[in-house]
Amino acid sequence: QVQLQESGPGLVKPSETLSLTCTVSGGSINSYYWSWIRQPAGKGLEWIGRIYSSGGTNYNPSLKSRVTMSVDSSKNQFSLKLSSVTAADTAVYYCARDFRGDYNGYYYYYYMDVWGKGTTVTVSS
Amino acid sequence: EIVLTQSPGTLSLSPGERATLSCRASQSVISSYLAWYQQKPGQTPRLLIYGASRRATGIPDRFSGSGSGTDFTLTISRLEADDFAVYYCQQYGNSRWTFGQGTKVEIQ
Repeated sequence: QVQLQESGPGLVKPSETLSLTCTVSGGSINSYYWSWIRQPAGKGLEWIGRIYSSGGTNYNPSLKSRVTMSVDSSKNQFSLKLSSVTAADTAVYYCARDFRGDYNGYYYYYYMDVWGKGTTVTVSS
Repeated sequence: EIVLTQSPGTLSLSPGERATLSCRASQSVISSYLAWYQQKPGQTPRLLIYGASRRATGIPDRFSGSGSGTDFTLTISRLEADDFAVYYCQQYGNSRWTFGQGTKVEIQ
């Protein structure tokens, strides 16, 4: 059973770069897209972006200028960097797997089937 | 970018009642790419429905999804105590995901 675990500093100073890693266990990182999602306290879910196991990326346009994602298949890990952070970037950060399910004759089903437990990142001096 | 608008923001109901949650998209969504998640306080979102109407593994049959195009619905036929939570719809399109803002189902 695939499990995801986020790791990284829980406190980041304003204007610095937030760095998180998601470790995939119980399965391979290969042949999937892997997403980052965040959730400020008491608010909804915001998709940050995703990375394919071979390194291709898609980012949320609202964050694109500050986001960099990378993957290390040898370690079964992928990472997020968010630069120039402010208090507005304080949130719980989740990693998740984008899963392509069965083909229904027209499209494959597509959803996020496995999520990490999330890690809280606070931006404060 | 496709915007998902969920309504109502909060639904106050009693156990045993039926809950109907709406998710409206700003443009047509491919049904195969529309999912619903449940999130309880302090917990990770859990996949309930994918492909607009298909229940994920282990999800009770009191949860059902329907809809197409721009209008989608999550129905909980008879609320149980464990169902009081926040529900999010989500869609994939143009190589990006978007979420609705969530509907909170609370005990009346």
